[in-house]
Amino acid sequence: GDSVTQMEGPVTLSEEAFLTINCTYTATGYPSLFWYVQYPGEGLQLLLKATKADDKGSNKGFEATYRKETTSFHLEKGSVQVSDSAVYFCALNTGGFKTIFGAGTRLFVKA
Amino acid sequence: DAGITQSPRHKVTETGTPVTLRCHQTENHRYMYWYRQDPGHGLRLIHYSYGVKDTDKGEVSDGYSVSRSKTEDFLLTLESATSSQTSVYFCAIRGAGTNQETQYFGPGTRLLVL
Repeated sequence: GDSVTQMEGPVTLSEEAFLTINCTYTATGYPSLFWYVQYPGEGLQLLLKATKADDKGSNKGFEATYRKETTSFHLEKGSVQVSDSAVYFCALNTGGFKTIFGAGTRLFVKA
Repeated sequence: DAGITQSPRHKVTETGTPVTLRCHQTENHRYMYWYRQDPGHGLRLIHYSYGVKDTDKGEVSDGYSVSRSKTEDFLLTLESATSSQTSVYFCAIRGAGTNQETQYFGPGTRLLVL
């Protein structure tokens, strides 16, 4: 079945460091790919998405490129801030009503 | 922000008691979902609904039931709470139009079963 695998956390970085959170997927068909973010005490919210191969999703300085050849959708940010501390979830949807989520990666950013 | 509220936001209960969690949306969206979030497991789908009185099971439905008598409300019931059901529960709705593959989440309910 469809699945999403993302790197285990926690990831701890200093402010202004470069961030990469790896995500790979397995899917039949052609999924849309997502990154959701969960700030402490809140629900998940959409961070960015890409709907087809080679698309780049971006938002709030975060980027991820849909790589069909490597079945990956890695999240990157050039300079993290303390306010980016959160849990990040990679997810896929194959056009139906169900979304498959990864296990989540917790990010801590130190001042 | 999608208009999704959950109640209660926090609850402590005892093993063996029934518990009902409520999700309310103001978006008039057809699909609604209940997830639980546990460390190491991410989000797991409990039940979902695709319309009034239309519901189906997710991957971890044992011990849970749901009801949807109105478009805006989706109730999750733990028939006889167990300690393994201690978790954070999230309700979500499916977006519409060009956002129909996106899910919008409520703030969550933190449940502790003693």
